[in-house]
Amino acid sequence: RKEVEQDPGPFNVPEGATVAFNCTYSNSASQSFFWYRQDCRKEPKLLMSVYSSGNEDGRFTAQLNRASQYISLLIRDSKLSDSATYLCVVTNDYKLSFGAGTTVTVRA
Amino acid sequence: EADIYQTPRYLVIGTGKKITLECSQTMGHDKMYWYQQDPGMELHLIHYSYGVNSTEKGDLSSESTVSRIRTEHFPLTLESARPSHTSQYLCASSELQGGSGYTFGSGTRLTVV
Repeated sequence: RKEVEQDPGPFNVPEGATVAFNCTYSNSASQSFFWYRQDCRKEPKLLMSVYSSGNEDGRFTAQLNRASQYISLLIRDSKLSDSATYLCVVTNDYKLSFGAGTTVTVRA
Repeated sequence: EADIYQTPRYLVIGTGKKITLECSQTMGHDKMYWYQQDPGMELHLIHYSYGVNSTEKGDLSSESTVSRIRTEHFPLTLESARPSHTSQYLCASSELQGGSGYTFGSGTRLTVV
């Protein structure tokens, strides 16, 4: 079983729509959680950390559910520029484990 | 702005050549990593280091080697390149206590012909 699993998508949504997707992790002792964004043929970049209480950054909302071992990302009022692959990242003993990514395509 | 630098950005090289991919960071991070990623596929950790003179193999077996003689520098070497080594190689660093995630370099896209 992979340490981090994501629905690969793709999620094709119109501009202005809300899109949400989850990521599950297998190690209950995982310490920190992040969402990264990776554009085509570019390096991953940190989008946001995920806190137990949930957190927002503009149009992006992240949630952590430790009991069910998943994290989620919700994008409101999606923009064309939100089209990317979103990577779920989990830390165990200072080592980060990456999911394979969820691809989101926002269309005009 | 990125404070972690990889060179070269693109490299096309013949089979059997020795190559070194450079990675340097100016953030004073203790931890550094090398990932391999094929187009449209997930990242695979191939090497990591917790500090000077520390190197460990990652989850994906790799014929490459690394060294960490200075905090800021973490080069990756392939003694004899093969077409199966064609991939993108991404270097990253983070603070030892984690929690702040990784900063990635722009990557080296390697093609072995």
